[in-house]
Amino acid sequence: QVQLVESGGGVVQPGRSLRLSCAASGFPFSPYGMHWVRQAPGKGLEWVALISNDGSKKYYSDSVKGRFTLSRDNSKNTLYLQMDNLRPEDTAVYYCAKQGFCSDGVCYAHHFDHWGQGALVTVSS
Amino acid sequence: QSALTQPPSASGSPGQSVTISCTGTNSDIGDYNYVSWYQQHPGKAPKLMIYEVSQRPSGVPDRFSGSKSGNTASLTVSGLQAEDEADYYCSSYAGSNGWVFGGGTKLTVL
Repeated sequence: QVQLVESGGGVVQPGRSLRLSCAASGFPFSPYGMHWVRQAPGKGLEWVALISNDGSKKYYSDSVKGRFTLSRDNSKNTLYLQMDNLRPEDTAVYYCAKQGFCSDGVCYAHHFDHWGQGALVTVSS
Repeated sequence: QSALTQPPSASGSPGQSVTISCTGTNSDIGDYNYVSWYQQHPGKAPKLMIYEVSQRPSGVPDRFSGSKSGNTASLTVSGLQAEDEADYYCSSYAGSNGWVFGGGTKLTVL
């Protein structure tokens, strides 16, 4: 059973940094890319970033490019999101999500297959 | 403002069918068959309901179906049940822009 557990959320002042972690279990972690998606309070979903299965490729939304950094440790089945120079508009629940799935040698990679329960990040002075 | 446009609300009585639309552009929905739909109950994480326009993951009831025409995708829920009441979000792959979402539709079962 796929399980994704985010941690590291909290309250932080504007301009400061925070690092989120996402611990994965129940599936082979290293073959899959991983996303971060966020949801501001009472608002819709917003894609944040994607890291490839081996960490060599990283993609960011324009809203976080240059401030957020993705990484992963496949030996620990863990995904990270380093968030620097945080802004009040970064306040949101941050979800990690598995990039699609593979079955019978075919991979379906353009959706968010399983989601964690989310970590709340509040940026406020 | 979300990249994809959904109606803010939809409703239907138990047993009825309801369709939620999701309108994008030639750069997302119109260019790729990578539309997906997510169900989100209050305080919970989103759950995948449809991927690649019309594919249902295992465990999702066949009451849920998806389609696409041009720049507009649709999610139809047939035989509405009380537990279907939730927010629904569409998403599309958008090439170099990554992924985009709709603003969400609150589905009410009357």
